[in-house]
Amino acid sequence: GQQLNQSPQSMFIQEGEDVSMNCTSSSIFNTWLWYKQDPGEGPVLLIALYKAGELTSNGRLTAQFGITRKDSFLNISASIPSDVGIYFCAGPLNTGKLIFGQGTTLQVKP
Amino acid sequence: DVKVTQSSRYLVKRTGEKVFLECVQDMDHENMFWYRQDPGLGLRLIYFSYDVKMKEKGDIPEGYSVSREKKERFSLILESASTNQTSMYLCAGAPGLGTYEQYFGPGTRLTVT
Repeated sequence: GQQLNQSPQSMFIQEGEDVSMNCTSSSIFNTWLWYKQDPGEGPVLLIALYKAGELTSNGRLTAQFGITRKDSFLNISASIPSDVGIYFCAGPLNTGKLIFGQGTTLQVKP
Repeated sequence: DVKVTQSSRYLVKRTGEKVFLECVQDMDHENMFWYRQDPGLGLRLIYFSYDVKMKEKGDIPEGYSVSREKKERFSLILESASTNQTSMYLCAGAPGLGTYEQYFGPGTRLTVT
Protein backbone atom coordinates (compact mmCIF):
# COMPACT_ATOMS: atom_id res chain seq x y z
CA GLY A 1 0.00 0.00 0.00
CA GLN A 2 0.93 3.63 -0.13
CA GLN A 3 3.35 4.95 2.42
CA LEU A 4 4.75 8.29 3.37
CA ASN A 5 8.36 8.21 4.53
CA GLN A 6 9.47 11.01 6.79
CA SER A 7 13.07 11.90 7.38
CA PRO A 8 14.70 12.23 9.78
CA GLN A 9 12.84 10.21 12.40
CA SER A 10 14.14 12.45 15.16
CA MET A 11 16.25 15.55 15.61
CA PHE A 12 17.93 17.07 18.63
CA ILE A 13 19.05 20.61 17.94
CA GLN A 14 20.22 23.74 19.69
CA GLU A 15 17.85 26.66 20.13
CA GLY A 16 18.32 29.13 17.29
CA GLU A 17 19.23 26.53 14.68
CA ASP A 18 17.27 26.00 11.50
CA VAL A 19 15.50 22.69 10.94
CA SER A 20 14.72 20.81 7.73
CA MET A 21 12.62 17.71 7.33
CA ASN A 22 11.02 15.99 4.39
CA CYS A 23 8.35 13.56 3.36
CA THR A 24 8.46 11.29 0.33
CA SER A 25 6.03 8.98 -1.38
CA SER A 26 6.08 6.50 -4.23
CA SER A 27 2.75 7.98 -5.39
CA ILE A 28 1.73 11.40 -6.60
CA PHE A 29 -0.29 13.63 -4.31
CA ASN A 30 -2.38 16.69 -5.17
CA THR A 31 -2.26 18.05 -1.64
CA TRP A 32 0.33 17.96 1.12
CA LEU A 33 -0.46 18.78 4.73
CA TRP A 34 1.92 19.38 7.63
CA TYR A 35 0.84 18.94 11.24
CA LYS A 36 2.51 19.47 14.59
CA GLN A 37 1.63 17.48 17.69
CA ASP A 38 2.61 18.76 21.10
CA PRO A 39 3.15 16.12 23.78
CA GLY A 40 -0.20 14.80 25.02
CA GLU A 41 -2.23 16.86 22.53
CA GLY A 42 -3.91 16.34 19.18
CA PRO A 43 -2.14 17.29 15.92
CA VAL A 44 -2.58 20.87 14.75
CA LEU A 45 -2.57 21.78 11.08
CA LEU A 46 0.39 24.02 10.27
CA ILE A 47 0.44 24.36 6.50
CA ALA A 48 -1.54 23.05 3.53
CA LEU A 49 -0.03 22.89 0.02
CA TYR A 50 -2.11 22.48 -3.12
CA LYS A 51 0.14 22.99 -6.12
CA ALA A 52 3.41 21.45 -7.29
CA GLY A 53 6.26 23.86 -6.63
CA GLU A 54 4.23 25.90 -4.15
CA LEU A 55 6.14 27.49 -1.29
CA THR A 56 4.07 28.56 1.70
CA SER A 57 5.08 30.19 4.97
CA ASN A 58 3.48 30.36 8.37
CA GLY A 59 5.63 32.50 10.64
CA ARG A 60 8.99 30.78 11.00
CA LEU A 61 7.73 27.73 9.15
CA THR A 62 8.08 27.26 5.40
CA ALA A 63 6.80 24.27 3.47
CA GLN A 64 7.25 23.33 -0.15
CA PHE A 65 5.29 21.06 -2.46
CA GLY A 66 7.87 19.15 -4.50
CA ILE A 67 7.89 19.52 -8.27
CA THR A 68 7.52 15.79 -8.80
CA ARG A 69 4.43 15.82 -6.49
CA LYS A 70 5.99 12.89 -4.65
CA ASP A 71 7.63 14.87 -1.88
CA SER A 72 7.28 17.83 0.43
CA PHE A 73 9.62 19.72 2.73
CA LEU A 74 9.20 21.62 5.98
CA ASN A 75 11.72 24.12 7.30
CA ILE A 76 11.71 25.84 10.66
CA SER A 77 13.95 28.85 11.05
CA ALA A 78 15.56 30.01 14.30
CA SER A 79 14.09 27.23 16.42
CA ILE A 80 12.77 27.93 19.91
CA PRO A 81 11.93 25.55 22.77
CA SER A 82 8.19 25.56 21.99
CA ASP A 83 8.95 24.02 18.58
CA VAL A 84 9.39 20.72 20.42
CA GLY A 85 6.94 18.06 19.25
CA ILE A 86 6.22 15.60 16.48
CA TYR A 87 5.80 16.88 12.94
CA PHE A 88 3.65 14.83 10.57
CA CYS A 89 3.16 15.07 6.86
CA ALA A 90 -0.08 13.82 5.32
CA GLY A 91 -1.57 13.36 1.89
CA PRO A 92 -5.07 12.46 0.70
CA LEU A 93 -5.81 8.96 -0.55
CA ASN A 94 -9.35 9.14 -1.84
CA THR A 95 -12.81 9.88 -0.51
CA GLY A 96 -11.36 12.27 2.06
CA LYS A 97 -9.08 9.89 3.93
CA LEU A 98 -5.52 10.92 4.75
CA ILE A 99 -2.35 8.90 4.91
CA PHE A 100 0.16 10.09 7.51
CA GLY A 101 3.90 9.80 7.75
CA GLN A 102 5.43 8.28 10.86
CA GLY A 103 6.49 11.68 12.11
CA THR A 104 9.70 13.55 12.87
CA THR A 105 10.31 14.13 16.57
CA LEU A 106 12.00 17.44 17.27
CA GLN A 107 13.77 18.28 20.50
CA VAL A 108 15.27 21.70 21.11
CA LYS A 109 17.97 22.34 23.64
CA PRO A 110 17.75 25.81 25.19
CA ASP B 1 -11.22 28.82 14.66
CA VAL B 2 -12.29 25.26 14.10
CA LYS B 3 -13.14 23.55 17.35
CA VAL B 4 -13.19 19.80 17.89
CA THR B 5 -13.80 18.67 21.45
CA GLN B 6 -13.54 15.23 23.00
CA SER B 7 -15.48 14.28 26.08
CA SER B 8 -12.54 13.17 28.21
CA ARG B 9 -8.80 13.81 28.20
CA TYR B 10 -8.06 10.78 30.36
CA LEU B 11 -10.12 7.67 30.94
CA VAL B 12 -9.47 4.48 32.89
CA LYS B 13 -11.74 1.50 32.29
CA ARG B 14 -11.78 -2.15 33.23
CA THR B 15 -11.54 -5.06 30.82
CA GLY B 16 -14.97 -5.99 29.48
CA GLU B 17 -16.58 -2.60 30.09
CA LYS B 18 -18.46 -0.80 27.35
CA VAL B 19 -16.72 2.50 26.62
CA PHE B 20 -18.09 5.57 24.85
CA LEU B 21 -15.78 8.24 23.47
CA GLU B 22 -17.60 11.35 22.31
CA CYS B 23 -16.46 13.91 19.78
CA VAL B 24 -18.17 17.16 18.87
CA GLN B 25 -17.22 19.66 16.15
CA ASP B 26 -18.63 23.14 15.79
CA MET B 27 -17.79 23.90 12.15
CA ASP B 28 -20.58 22.08 10.32
CA HIS B 29 -18.05 19.64 8.86
CA GLU B 30 -19.32 16.87 6.64
CA ASN B 31 -16.64 14.34 7.50
CA MET B 32 -15.51 13.01 10.86
CA PHE B 33 -12.82 10.49 11.74
CA TRP B 34 -11.61 8.37 14.65
CA TYR B 35 -7.94 7.39 14.92
CA ARG B 36 -5.83 5.68 17.48
CA GLN B 37 -2.20 6.56 18.00
CA ASP B 38 0.37 4.20 19.45
CA PRO B 39 4.16 4.59 19.73
CA GLY B 40 5.88 3.28 16.64
CA LEU B 41 2.60 2.70 14.80
CA GLY B 42 1.61 6.26 13.97
CA LEU B 43 -1.96 7.32 13.37
CA ARG B 44 -4.32 4.52 12.35
CA LEU B 45 -7.83 5.12 11.09
CA ILE B 46 -10.56 3.22 12.93
CA TYR B 47 -13.79 4.53 11.39
CA PHE B 48 -14.97 7.56 9.50
CA SER B 49 -18.25 9.13 8.49
CA TYR B 50 -19.26 11.30 5.53
CA ASP B 51 -22.71 12.15 6.71
CA VAL B 52 -25.23 11.64 9.44
CA LYS B 53 -25.99 7.97 9.99
CA MET B 54 -23.26 6.96 7.55
CA LYS B 55 -20.08 5.17 8.56
CA GLU B 56 -17.16 3.49 6.85
CA LYS B 57 -14.56 1.14 8.26
CA GLY B 58 -11.03 2.36 8.39
CA ASP B 59 -7.90 0.26 8.67
CA ILE B 60 -8.47 -1.20 12.14
CA PRO B 61 -12.22 -1.35 12.90
CA GLU B 62 -12.18 -4.64 14.83
CA GLY B 63 -13.43 -4.24 18.37
CA TYR B 64 -14.95 -0.82 17.68
CA SER B 65 -18.21 0.63 16.44
CA VAL B 66 -19.35 4.20 15.81
CA SER B 67 -22.49 6.28 15.85
CA ARG B 68 -23.32 9.53 14.08
CA GLU B 69 -26.86 10.56 14.87
CA LYS B 70 -26.20 14.29 14.47
CA LYS B 71 -23.85 16.05 12.10
CA GLU B 72 -21.74 17.59 14.83
CA ARG B 73 -21.30 14.48 16.97
CA PHE B 74 -19.35 11.28 16.24
CA SER B 75 -19.09 8.63 18.93
CA LEU B 76 -16.63 5.76 19.17
CA ILE B 77 -17.78 2.70 21.08
CA LEU B 78 -15.67 -0.07 22.51
CA GLU B 79 -18.22 -2.84 23.01
CA SER B 80 -16.04 -4.82 25.42
CA ALA B 81 -12.82 -3.04 26.27
CA SER B 82 -9.59 -5.02 26.21
CA THR B 83 -6.10 -4.14 27.38
CA ASN B 84 -4.84 -3.95 23.80
CA GLN B 85 -7.20 -1.02 23.28
CA THR B 86 -5.18 1.08 25.68
CA SER B 87 -4.17 3.97 23.46
CA MET B 88 -4.50 7.63 22.55
CA TYR B 89 -7.75 8.20 20.63
CA LEU B 90 -8.02 11.17 18.31
CA CYS B 91 -11.12 12.53 16.65
CA ALA B 92 -10.95 14.80 13.59
CA GLY B 93 -13.40 16.79 11.51
CA ALA B 94 -13.03 17.83 7.89
CA PRO B 95 -15.12 20.08 5.66
CA GLY B 96 -15.18 17.54 2.82
CA LEU B 97 -16.44 18.95 -0.49
CA GLY B 98 -13.08 18.48 -2.19
CA THR B 99 -10.85 19.70 0.62
CA TYR B 100 -8.70 17.36 2.67
CA GLU B 101 -7.66 19.29 5.76
CA GLN B 102 -8.59 17.50 8.96
CA TYR B 103 -8.85 19.27 12.30
CA PHE B 104 -8.13 17.24 15.39
CA GLY B 105 -9.45 17.28 18.92
CA PRO B 106 -7.13 17.18 21.94
CA GLY B 107 -7.29 13.40 22.24
CA THR B 108 -8.44 10.93 24.88
CA ARG B 109 -5.84 8.83 26.64
CA LEU B 110 -7.65 5.57 27.41
CA THR B 111 -6.20 3.00 29.75
CA VAL B 112 -7.88 -0.39 30.04
CA THR B 113 -6.85 -2.39 33.08
